[in-house]
Amino acid sequence: KAGVTQTPRYLIKTRGQQVTLSCSPISGHRSVSWYQQTPGQGLQFLFEYFSETQRNKGNFPGRFSGRQFSNSRSEMNVSTLELGDSALYLCASSPGAGGYNEQFFGPGTRLTVL
Amino acid sequence: QQQVKQSPQSLIVQKGGISIINCAYENTAFDYFPWYQQFPGKGPALLIAIRPDVSEKKEGRFTISFNKSAKQFSLHIMDSQPGDSATYFCAAVYSSASKIIFGSGTRLSIRP
Repeated sequence: KAGVTQTPRYLIKTRGQQVTLSCSPISGHRSVSWYQQTPGQGLQFLFEYFSETQRNKGNFPGRFSGRQFSNSRSEMNVSTLELGDSALYLCASSPGAGGYNEQFFGPGTRLTVL
Repeated sequence: QQQVKQSPQSLIVQKGGISIINCAYENTAFDYFPWYQQFPGKGPALLIAIRPDVSEKKEGRFTISFNKSAKQFSLHIMDSQPGDSATYFCAAVYSSASKIIFGSGTRLSIRP
């Protein structure tokens, strides 16, 4: 089985712009979660989608949003980018929802905001 | 109450030695404790995990020790190898709320 894929792998944007990141889960997986990874804050949970519904959300401002499509692919959008949004954005998929399902992470999208 | 404190931040161990990484949590609602391993340029990968009704779990050279009363758990890597050099994250999960809280990570370097 192919692993979790994320596109693009690298992205450079300027402050004020918006960005959309894409995640394709492992075939058959219906849950997709997004995380932000930075040296200072570590790994922080953004949100989780299951069957096209947002099941859980972390403590991030409303500029961060996401959605999931019927084929389980997911997108994450960040509007009005700030310098502090520079981070590695990781997507993880699992067969079902909930913490006991092993999450399989993609390689991440490295976002740099100038 | 939602924090998971991980130490040390970085660790250097000689090849063949034992690597030990510690984590502590506060909220007793956590009910699943995974450890993830991350290599540069890759996403984290599940290494080993434990539930709080078990005090120890061993998989090959990797062992989790869990102390429920102290709200602490640790990862032990026996016979550490250069290929184990990576960043390790502990985590605590609220399975009912589908929330996972990660520790801050430990950068492990194994010297040949």
